Amino acid sequence: GIQVEQSPPDLILQEGANSTLRCNFSDSVNNLQWFHQNPWGQLINLFYIPSGTKQNGRLSATTVATERYSLLYISSSQTTDSGVYFCAAPFNNNDMRFGAGTRLTVKP
Amino acid sequence: ETGVTQSPTHLIKTRGQQVTLRCSSQSGHNTVSWYQQALGQGPQFIFQYYREEENGRGNFPPRFSGLQFPNYSSELNVNALELDDSALYLCASSLFGGADTQYFGPGTRLTVL
Repeated sequence: GIQVEQSPPDLILQEGANSTLRCNFSDSVNNLQWFHQNPWGQLINLFYIPSGTKQNGRLSATTVATERYSLLYISSSQTTDSGVYFCAAPFNNNDMRFGAGTRLTVKP
Repeated sequence: ETGVTQSPTHLIKTRGQQVTLRCSSQSGHNTVSWYQQALGQGPQFIFQYYREEENGRGNFPPRFSGLQFPNYSSELNVNALELDDSALYLCASSLFGGADTQYFGPGTRLTVL
């Protein structure tokens, strides 16, 4: 099945800094999603991005499907951005395979 | 539009017992997927229900079973609980399963003692 790898595993930033999170996947996909899991465990959809680039405020994402990777950019980070960021891609059209996540800590 | 809801929020059980977790899908969604998330790991797919039928299953034993009702709400049942079943259980609803955006509920945290 598809393998999803995320890097880095941990990231510590000062408030206001920018960051790039990476997601590599082992096979071609027709869907790629980015999520933010807050400290209470809630998974929040950030992007549905099988290819191309999308932006939403300070966050943007780019997926290069032909090279099997996706990037999540966070600009001018805030303490509320802290949490774990996951990317996920479908296997067999129903099994969403998640990476191990990137734990982001933004310090004031 | 109503989001995905789950109940209960927390649950403590002892080894060998049975548990039922519940999920109400977002309005208009006919597909519910269940995931198990152990501490420090990403969610793992348990199974998916589409229009009341199981539509795919991950690598979980048969003591994990489920149901979907005509209103598309769903239950996850776990029999003969083991210590390793302690985890956050998440459900997600969507229109077309993995090929579509999935929206997650807040989760049920299960502790097995």
